[in-house]
Amino acid sequence: QQQVKQSPQSLIVQKGGIPIINCAYENTAFDYFPWYQQFPGKGPALLIAIRPDVSEKKEGRFTISFNKSAKQFSLHIMDSQPGDSATYFCAASTNQAGTALIFGKGTTLSVSS
Amino acid sequence: DGGITQSPKYLFRKEGQNVTLSCEQNLNHDAMYWYRQDPGQGLRLIYYSQIVNDFQKGDIAEGYSVSREKKESFPLTVTSAQKNPTAFYLCASSIGQGARQPQHFGDGTRLSIL
Repeated sequence: QQQVKQSPQSLIVQKGGIPIINCAYENTAFDYFPWYQQFPGKGPALLIAIRPDVSEKKEGRFTISFNKSAKQFSLHIMDSQPGDSATYFCAASTNQAGTALIFGKGTTLSVSS
Repeated sequence: DGGITQSPKYLFRKEGQNVTLSCEQNLNHDAMYWYRQDPGQGLRLIYYSQIVNDFQKGDIAEGYSVSREKKESFPLTVTSAQKNPTAFYLCASSIGQGARQPQHFGDGTRLSIL
């Protein structure tokens, strides 16, 4: 119940395409859903985050869609660029003190030019 | 600039040897974390600390130890009991724990066995 399941494991799109990465969870106590972006040899960096009281959040070319009833959330990257090639992690946490983020296993995205 | 500094960037361990990975932050964050990253496995939590002199085991604490004597520092020791230590180790911090706190990561230490 503590898991966050992420798919696909890898994704290849052409420049300008819209890659979509999906995550699913079981724990209904989760109420914070961030996405992290990681480049090779670097630590992950927070990209965008959403709370379950909204169904969509946009920041630049990145959009999170959230479906509370299905317990799923996804990341869309509009007009993808080669510089977006990275590994993306979804995560979730509760609002309970003493808990940590639960991460998905990651999606490696390659955007070809 | 505020951030998290991990050192060294690369580390090699001999069989039966303990090694310590350094993590320092100047963000004035209360909570700190250690993760292990293996290909295709995502980030797995080793230990975390909400406050000085207090820490809790994560999902894969066996073979590891930590200390939190200062707010800024959270070193991780990989002991000889950890039979498969080769991995990329990431340290992170956040203002607090839980309650929707974003985590800030260092750039990692890659540990290999000689």
